[in-house]
Amino acid sequence: DADVTQTPRNRITKTGKRIMLECSQTKGHDRMYWYRQDPGLGLRLIYYSFDVKDINKGEISDGYSVSRQAQAKFSLSLESAIPNQTALYFCATSGTGTGGTTNYGYTFGSGTRLTVV
Amino acid sequence: GQSLEQPSEVTAVEGAIVQINCTYQTSGFYGLSWYQQHDGGAPTFLSYNALDGLEETGRFSSFLSRSDSYGYLLLQELQMKDSASYFCAVRELTNAGKSTFGDGTTLTVKP
Repeated sequence: DADVTQTPRNRITKTGKRIMLECSQTKGHDRMYWYRQDPGLGLRLIYYSFDVKDINKGEISDGYSVSRQAQAKFSLSLESAIPNQTALYFCATSGTGTGGTTNYGYTFGSGTRLTVV
Repeated sequence: GQSLEQPSEVTAVEGAIVQINCTYQTSGFYGLSWYQQHDGGAPTFLSYNALDGLEETGRFSSFLSRSDSYGYLLLQELQMKDSASYFCAVRELTNAGKSTFGDGTTLTVKP
């Protein structure tokens, strides 16, 4: 099983619909992130959470919300989807940075390709 | 805030050496990371430089110079499978160490 699992892998939805993207991890990491990637561009941070009671906005949080249901689960919602939210969405986890350099790296899920029509 | 610049595209031939540069503007950071992403796939962590100097991991090496606000990823003995996008990222001192990513460099390896 993958360390970070995202569901669904692909989704087509209509403008105005509410949609939830789910992420679960078996890394035991406290830190979880949601990123968006548009074609030819880098990763832009939507929301991040450093523990169950901690939620923080990233650089492009408008139109999105998140829920950290447990240490291992972090879901992203689009309350009313619009076409310019069509993108590839990645969930990621990271350690706190102690215990060696490998703990600094992010582990990404396989992504959810979302199309809003 | 953080700002990172990378070349958008690099092309090299199989067996060659290629260097992908990353320059950054930041108010302070813990370290510089590199990630590889094959088309449509998940980014995967390659390396991390907390200190100035060279870190080597097999065919890949990464370098950081804080005084020059500059780092690079060096790929040796290029293989066709190295064709991918490569992202640098800084781990911030503020915001409890979250990372900001560059826009990525698309590496094309030709036979």
